[in-house]
Amino acid sequence: QKEVEQDPGPLSVPEGAIVSLNCTYSNSAFQYFMWYRQYSRKGPELLMYTYSSGNKEDGRFTAQVDKSSKYISLFIRDSQPSDSATYLCAMINYGGSQGNLIFGKGTKLSVKP
Amino acid sequence: KAGVTQTPRYLIKTRGQQVTLSCSPISGHRSVSWYQQTPGQGLQFLFEYFSETQRNKGNFPGRFSGRQFSNSRSEMNVSTLELGDSALYLCASSLTGGNQETQYFGPGTRLLVL
Repeated sequence: QKEVEQDPGPLSVPEGAIVSLNCTYSNSAFQYFMWYRQYSRKGPELLMYTYSSGNKEDGRFTAQVDKSSKYISLFIRDSQPSDSATYLCAMINYGGSQGNLIFGKGTKLSVKP
Repeated sequence: KAGVTQTPRYLIKTRGQQVTLSCSPISGHRSVSWYQQTPGQGLQFLFEYFSETQRNKGNFPGRFSGRQFSNSRSEMNVSTLELGDSALYLCASSLTGGNQETQYFGPGTRLLVL
């Protein structure tokens, strides 16, 4: 079993839809959880960063962490065509440096006008 | 503030050759990490440099090496290139390397090995 599993999609939704992106993980030592957005031909950019279980909201984006189920989600409300990108989840051990940063393979999202 | 820059942006090499990629971090950032991104394996950590010292290394063969200069600029070298080394190589910089919130990625260097 891979440490981090993420459905690669592609996921296609109409503009205005609520998007749900998910990752599961197997290593209970992961403490920090991140979501990155990567546009075509660009590097990833950090969208959300969470430490504990629960929800964190930032504008149209909500990150949810359920450590008991080893499951994290990213919700995008009122999705826009500009949200079309690949979304990568990432997680890291407590006190770890980038050496322990593990990424999911990414979900490609397309928001149709 | 200028972002992370990587040169070159695109590169074509043949098997057996070697390649050197360059990364200039955001001004003031002292940590530079390198990643390999492929469709099959996704984004994988190569190594991290902080203050000219390799602080952490991923699970890649010794053909992959790097270094960091006193101005925090970093280079990555791959020797004896193989077809499977074709990938997008990304570097990311951060102030100290311990806080993921301040890690910024460059646009990457796309390497094609023929």
